[in-house]
Amino acid sequence: RKEVEQDPGPFNVPEGATVAFNCTYSNSASQSFFWYRQDCRKEPKLLMSVYSSGNEDGRFTAQLNRASQYISLLIRDSKLSDSATYLCVVDRSGSARQLTFGSGTQLTVLP
Amino acid sequence: DVKVTQSSRYLVKRTGEKVFLECVQDMDHENMFWYRQDPGLGLRLIYFSYDVKMKEKGDIPEGYSVSREKKERFSLILESASTNQTSMYLCASTEGVRQYFGPGTRLTVT
Repeated sequence: RKEVEQDPGPFNVPEGATVAFNCTYSNSASQSFFWYRQDCRKEPKLLMSVYSSGNEDGRFTAQLNRASQYISLLIRDSKLSDSATYLCVVDRSGSARQLTFGSGTQLTVLP
Repeated sequence: DVKVTQSSRYLVKRTGEKVFLECVQDMDHENMFWYRQDPGLGLRLIYFSYDVKMKEKGDIPEGYSVSREKKERFSLILESASTNQTSMYLCASTEGVRQYFGPGTRLTVT
Protein backbone atom coordinates (compact mmCIF):
# COMPACT_ATOMS: atom_id res chain seq x y z
CA ARG A 1 0.00 0.00 0.00
CA LYS A 2 1.32 3.46 -0.87
CA GLU A 3 1.99 5.85 2.01
CA VAL A 4 -0.05 8.56 0.35
CA GLU A 5 -2.88 7.70 -2.02
CA GLN A 6 -4.84 10.08 -4.15
CA ASP A 7 -7.78 9.91 -6.53
CA PRO A 8 -6.15 8.93 -9.81
CA GLY A 9 -8.14 11.37 -11.94
CA PRO A 10 -8.10 12.88 -14.44
CA PHE A 11 -10.86 15.30 -13.52
CA ASN A 12 -12.33 17.26 -16.40
CA VAL A 13 -14.73 19.95 -15.19
CA PRO A 14 -16.38 23.00 -16.74
CA GLU A 15 -15.43 26.51 -15.69
CA GLY A 16 -17.30 27.54 -12.58
CA ALA A 17 -17.67 24.01 -11.25
CA THR A 18 -16.76 22.90 -7.75
CA VAL A 19 -14.34 20.00 -7.59
CA ALA A 20 -12.99 18.02 -4.65
CA PHE A 21 -9.86 15.91 -4.36
CA ASN A 22 -9.26 13.32 -1.69
CA CYS A 23 -6.13 11.84 -0.25
CA THR A 24 -5.42 9.20 2.40
CA TYR A 25 -2.19 8.55 4.24
CA SER A 26 -1.05 5.45 6.09
CA ASN A 27 1.43 6.77 8.66
CA SER A 28 -0.55 7.89 11.70
CA ALA A 29 2.54 9.62 13.10
CA SER A 30 2.63 12.09 10.21
CA GLN A 31 3.08 15.61 11.43
CA SER A 32 2.10 18.08 8.73
CA PHE A 33 0.11 18.06 5.54
CA PHE A 34 0.13 20.11 2.37
CA TRP A 35 -1.26 20.47 -1.09
CA TYR A 36 1.21 21.32 -3.85
CA ARG A 37 0.31 22.31 -7.38
CA GLN A 38 2.34 21.23 -10.42
CA ASP A 39 1.70 22.76 -13.82
CA CYS A 40 2.56 20.76 -16.93
CA ARG A 41 6.34 20.50 -17.35
CA LYS A 42 6.94 22.72 -14.32
CA GLU A 43 8.13 22.19 -10.78
CA PRO A 44 5.73 21.67 -7.85
CA LYS A 45 4.78 24.74 -5.83
CA LEU A 46 3.15 24.93 -2.42
CA LEU A 47 -0.57 25.65 -2.71
CA MET A 48 -1.53 25.50 0.94
CA SER A 49 -0.94 23.83 4.24
CA VAL A 50 -3.68 21.68 5.76
CA TYR A 51 -4.76 21.98 9.38
CA SER A 52 -7.14 19.96 11.51
CA SER A 53 -9.34 23.01 11.86
CA GLY A 54 -9.49 23.36 8.11
CA ASN A 55 -8.20 26.33 6.21
CA GLU A 56 -9.40 28.44 3.35
CA ASP A 57 -7.53 30.55 0.82
CA GLY A 58 -9.90 32.27 -1.56
CA ARG A 59 -11.61 29.60 -3.66
CA PHE A 60 -9.54 26.81 -2.10
CA THR A 61 -10.45 24.95 1.09
CA ALA A 62 -8.36 22.20 2.65
CA GLN A 63 -9.47 19.82 5.38
CA LEU A 64 -7.68 17.24 7.50
CA ASN A 65 -9.26 14.37 9.38
CA ARG A 66 -6.56 12.79 11.55
CA ALA A 67 -8.83 10.05 12.86
CA SER A 68 -9.58 8.83 9.34
CA GLN A 69 -6.13 9.82 8.00
CA TYR A 70 -7.82 11.70 5.23
CA ILE A 71 -7.06 15.03 3.53
CA SER A 72 -9.23 16.91 1.07
CA LEU A 73 -8.98 19.90 -1.23
CA LEU A 74 -12.05 21.73 -2.50
CA ILE A 75 -11.87 24.20 -5.37
CA ARG A 76 -14.89 26.42 -5.91
CA ASP A 77 -15.72 28.37 -9.05
CA SER A 78 -13.01 26.64 -11.08
CA LYS A 79 -10.96 28.75 -13.47
CA LEU A 80 -9.12 27.68 -16.60
CA SER A 81 -5.91 28.59 -14.77
CA ASP A 82 -6.64 25.96 -12.10
CA SER A 83 -5.76 23.25 -14.64
CA ALA A 84 -2.79 21.44 -13.13
CA THR A 85 -1.82 18.35 -11.17
CA TYR A 86 -2.51 18.58 -7.45
CA LEU A 87 -0.14 16.72 -5.15
CA CYS A 88 -1.08 15.62 -1.65
CA VAL A 89 1.99 15.80 0.59
CA VAL A 90 2.57 14.39 4.05
CA ASP A 91 5.47 15.33 6.31
CA ARG A 92 6.68 12.46 8.50
CA SER A 93 9.30 14.52 10.29
CA GLY A 94 7.59 17.75 11.28
CA SER A 95 10.47 19.72 9.82
CA ALA A 96 9.79 19.26 6.10
CA ARG A 97 12.79 16.93 5.83
CA GLN A 98 10.83 13.77 5.07
CA LEU A 99 8.00 14.62 2.73
CA THR A 100 6.00 11.88 1.06
CA PHE A 101 4.24 12.92 -2.12
CA GLY A 102 1.14 11.38 -3.60
CA SER A 103 1.27 10.63 -7.30
CA GLY A 104 -1.07 13.52 -8.00
CA THR A 105 -4.52 14.17 -9.41
CA GLN A 106 -4.77 15.85 -12.77
CA LEU A 107 -7.39 18.56 -13.18
CA THR A 108 -8.46 20.08 -16.47
CA VAL A 109 -10.94 22.96 -16.37
CA LEU A 110 -12.79 23.23 -19.66
CA PRO A 111 -14.15 26.46 -21.17
CA ASP B 1 12.09 35.53 -4.62
CA VAL B 2 13.67 32.23 -3.76
CA LYS B 3 15.57 30.81 -6.64
CA VAL B 4 16.62 27.19 -7.04
CA THR B 5 18.51 26.44 -10.23
CA GLN B 6 19.61 23.19 -11.77
CA SER B 7 22.51 22.86 -14.14
CA SER B 8 20.66 21.27 -17.03
CA ARG B 9 17.03 20.98 -18.17
CA TYR B 10 17.71 17.99 -20.40
CA LEU B 11 20.54 15.47 -20.30
CA VAL B 12 21.24 12.33 -22.32
CA LYS B 13 23.86 9.90 -21.04
CA ARG B 14 25.00 6.41 -21.89
CA THR B 15 24.76 3.41 -19.61
CA GLY B 16 27.77 3.23 -17.32
CA GLU B 17 28.63 6.92 -17.49
CA LYS B 18 29.15 8.95 -14.33
CA VAL B 19 26.57 11.71 -14.16
CA PHE B 20 26.61 14.90 -12.09
CA LEU B 21 23.45 16.91 -11.47
CA GLU B 22 24.04 20.28 -9.85
CA CYS B 23 21.64 22.36 -7.80
CA VAL B 24 22.14 25.85 -6.42
CA GLN B 25 19.89 27.90 -4.13
CA ASP B 26 20.35 31.57 -3.37
CA MET B 27 18.49 31.91 -0.07
CA ASP B 28 20.96 30.49 2.43
CA HIS B 29 18.67 27.54 3.17
CA GLU B 30 20.10 24.81 5.35
CA ASN B 31 18.05 21.92 4.01
CA MET B 32 18.36 20.71 0.44
CA PHE B 33 16.83 17.69 -1.28
CA TRP B 34 17.01 15.55 -4.36
CA TYR B 35 13.91 13.79 -5.70
CA ARG B 36 13.06 11.83 -8.77
CA GLN B 37 9.61 11.98 -10.32
CA ASP B 38 8.17 9.14 -12.38
CA PRO B 39 4.65 8.75 -13.79
CA GLY B 40 2.33 7.03 -11.34
CA LEU B 41 4.94 7.03 -8.58
CA GLY B 42 5.04 10.69 -7.65
CA LEU B 43 8.12 12.34 -6.22
CA ARG B 44 10.44 10.07 -4.28
CA LEU B 45 13.19 11.34 -2.02
CA ILE B 46 16.69 10.19 -2.95
CA TYR B 47 18.88 12.10 -0.47
CA PHE B 48 18.73 15.22 1.62
CA SER B 49 21.23 17.41 3.38
CA TYR B 50 20.65 19.59 6.43
CA ASP B 51 24.07 21.21 6.53
CA VAL B 52 27.35 21.42 4.68
CA LYS B 53 28.96 17.97 4.41
CA MET B 54 25.94 16.40 6.09
CA LYS B 55 23.66 14.04 4.20
CA GLU B 56 20.96 11.52 4.89
CA LYS B 57 19.47 8.80 2.75
CA GLY B 58 15.95 9.21 1.56
CA ASP B 59 13.62 6.49 0.39
CA ILE B 60 15.51 5.41 -2.75
CA PRO B 61 19.26 6.14 -2.35
CA GLU B 62 20.54 3.05 -4.17
CA GLY B 63 22.66 3.92 -7.18
CA TYR B 64 23.08 7.55 -6.10
CA SER B 65 25.41 9.62 -3.98
CA VAL B 66 25.46 13.30 -3.07
CA SER B 67 27.89 16.03 -2.22
CA ARG B 68 27.42 19.26 -0.31
CA GLU B 69 30.67 21.17 -0.02
CA LYS B 70 29.06 24.60 0.12
CA LYS B 71 25.76 25.62 1.67
CA GLU B 72 24.24 26.85 -1.57
CA ARG B 73 25.16 23.84 -3.72
CA PHE B 74 23.93 20.25 -3.55
CA SER B 75 25.07 17.74 -6.15
CA LEU B 76 23.55 14.41 -7.10
CA ILE B 77 25.91 11.81 -8.55
CA LEU B 78 25.05 8.71 -10.50
CA GLU B 79 28.23 6.66 -10.25
CA SER B 80 27.33 4.38 -13.15
CA ALA B 81 24.14 5.41 -14.91
CA SER B 82 21.61 2.73 -15.76
CA THR B 83 18.50 2.85 -17.92
CA ASN B 84 16.23 2.58 -14.88
CA GLN B 85 17.60 5.93 -13.73
CA THR B 86 15.93 7.64 -16.67
CA SER B 87 13.66 10.11 -14.90
CA MET B 88 12.89 13.71 -14.00
CA TYR B 89 15.18 14.86 -11.19
CA LEU B 90 14.05 17.71 -8.96
CA CYS B 91 16.12 19.59 -6.43
CA ALA B 92 14.53 21.52 -3.57
CA SER B 93 15.45 23.65 -0.59
CA THR B 94 13.35 24.45 2.44
CA GLU B 95 12.25 27.62 4.17
CA GLY B 96 10.20 26.64 7.19
CA VAL B 97 7.81 23.97 5.96
CA ARG B 98 7.76 25.19 2.39
CA GLN B 99 9.88 23.40 -0.18
CA TYR B 100 11.08 25.40 -3.18
CA PHE B 101 11.84 23.32 -6.22
CA GLY B 102 14.18 23.85 -9.12
CA PRO B 103 12.88 23.47 -12.68
CA GLY B 104 14.02 19.86 -12.93
CA THR B 105 16.47 17.91 -15.08
CA ARG B 106 15.05 15.33 -17.43
CA LEU B 107 17.73 12.64 -17.64
CA THR B 108 17.64 9.96 -20.30
CA VAL B 109 20.06 7.05 -20.01
CA THR B 110 20.45 5.07 -23.21
